[in-house]
Amino acid sequence: EAGVTQFPSHSVIEKGQTVTLRCDPISGHDNLYWYRRVMGKEIKFLLHFVKESKQDESGMPNNRFLAERTGGTYSTLKVQPAELEDSGVYFCASSQVRESTDTQYFGPGTRLTVL
Amino acid sequence: AQSVSQHNHHVILSEAASLELGCNYSYGGTVNLFWYVQYPGQHLQLLLKYFSGDPLVKGIKGFEAEFIKSKFSFNLRKPSVQWSDTAEYFCAVNRYNTDKLIFGTGTRLQVFP
Repeated sequence: EAGVTQFPSHSVIEKGQTVTLRCDPISGHDNLYWYRRVMGKEIKFLLHFVKESKQDESGMPNNRFLAERTGGTYSTLKVQPAELEDSGVYFCASSQVRESTDTQYFGPGTRLTVL
Repeated sequence: AQSVSQHNHHVILSEAASLELGCNYSYGGTVNLFWYVQYPGQHLQLLLKYFSGDPLVKGIKGFEAEFIKSKFSFNLRKPSVQWSDTAEYFCAVNRYNTDKLIFGTGTRLQVFP
């Protein structure tokens, strides 16, 4: 079974540019989560999709971040325009059922550097 | 604010030493508790989790954790570490009936042969 995949693995952009991160969850997993880790700090929740619907977007930092999950399969997270403080590692995770005890399976992350 | 504290940021041990990594959380009510590990160059993966029943939970690779409700703690233990346990360890919590995980800042473990 393929795991959660993320693309790209690294992205270096300049302040003001746009970047789009992609996440492919494990096949059959309806729940998809985005998290972010800024250097030296904790991994923080950004948002949660159930299929194509945003279930919880309480962690999204501001309106420069836009997440989509068209068709309930892969998801994209767009940052526009990027700021220096957006640098960090963006993790995607997926889980099969909507229970708090269910294991979330994480992807390898996308390391974003904004110069 | 709801939070998870991992007191040890960097731990250095020799092989065969015993390990205990601390984790405390600040929520009241029912919680689910998780330990994740990230080996160098690899994904975050689940070591173990607790949501009910026996407060002593056994996970993969010989790890275990004990939930002590009165202390709001979920410390991770391993009696004898190996070089291959070198990794970063994350404690995480979610509240009953919510999905989002609240993570601690992580503990980097280095094991020397």
